[in-house]
Amino acid sequence: DTGVSQDPRHKITKRGQNVTFRCDPISEHNRLYWYRQTLGQGPEFLTYFQNEAQLEKSRLLSDRFSAERPKGSFSTLEIQRTEQGDSAMYLCASSLVGAASNQPQHFGDGTRLSIL
Amino acid sequence: TQLLEQSPQFLSIQEGENLTVYCNSSSVFSSLQWYRQEPGEGPVLLVTVVTGGEVKKLKRLTFQFGDARKDSSLHITAAQTGDTGLYLCAGLIQGAQKLVFGQGTRLTINP
Repeated sequence: DTGVSQDPRHKITKRGQNVTFRCDPISEHNRLYWYRQTLGQGPEFLTYFQNEAQLEKSRLLSDRFSAERPKGSFSTLEIQRTEQGDSAMYLCASSLVGAASNQPQHFGDGTRLSIL
Repeated sequence: TQLLEQSPQFLSIQEGENLTVYCNSSSVFSSLQWYRQEPGEGPVLLVTVVTGGEVKKLKRLTFQFGDARKDSSLHITAAQTGDTGLYLCAGLIQGAQKLVFGQGTRLTINP
């Protein structure tokens, strides 16, 4: 059973560049979430999808951020014109919507973004 | 303002001692998860509690959900060096799908 997979694991880029991260959820999971975690803090919610529909976006998700899940499987998170404050660990999680209302979210190992 | 207050933020104790980590909120959660996170890795789910007053045990770890579903605790008995790590509580707000995390408790068990 493969877990949530994220790529790349690390990304170093210069301020102002665009970056894109990919997340492959657990195969049968229909919900996919993006979170951001800065040093010494717990993860903060960014957005989530159910199948291909993006159902909620946090106010943290400025207009420089865009997420897609075009076929309801993998998802991408793009950050345009990166800023120093974007440096963080970007975590993806997935869960299964089923008869039980509270299916736990399972996390990938994240993409650590460093802005120079 | 942190929706979920986790305490203590740092805890360093000797192997064999017991400890309790607390997670408190003024909000009601439909469920609460505890995760453990190692450096450079994602959070790994330890347990989910759903019912007010629920107690779950995972070997030497005991998790409790408050009666009002606003708080939770993690108790570790006879801590081992392998318990060292970052422990995160995360609540699912009623009617929402996003997890709200506490700041985490960085636990160090000294040999």
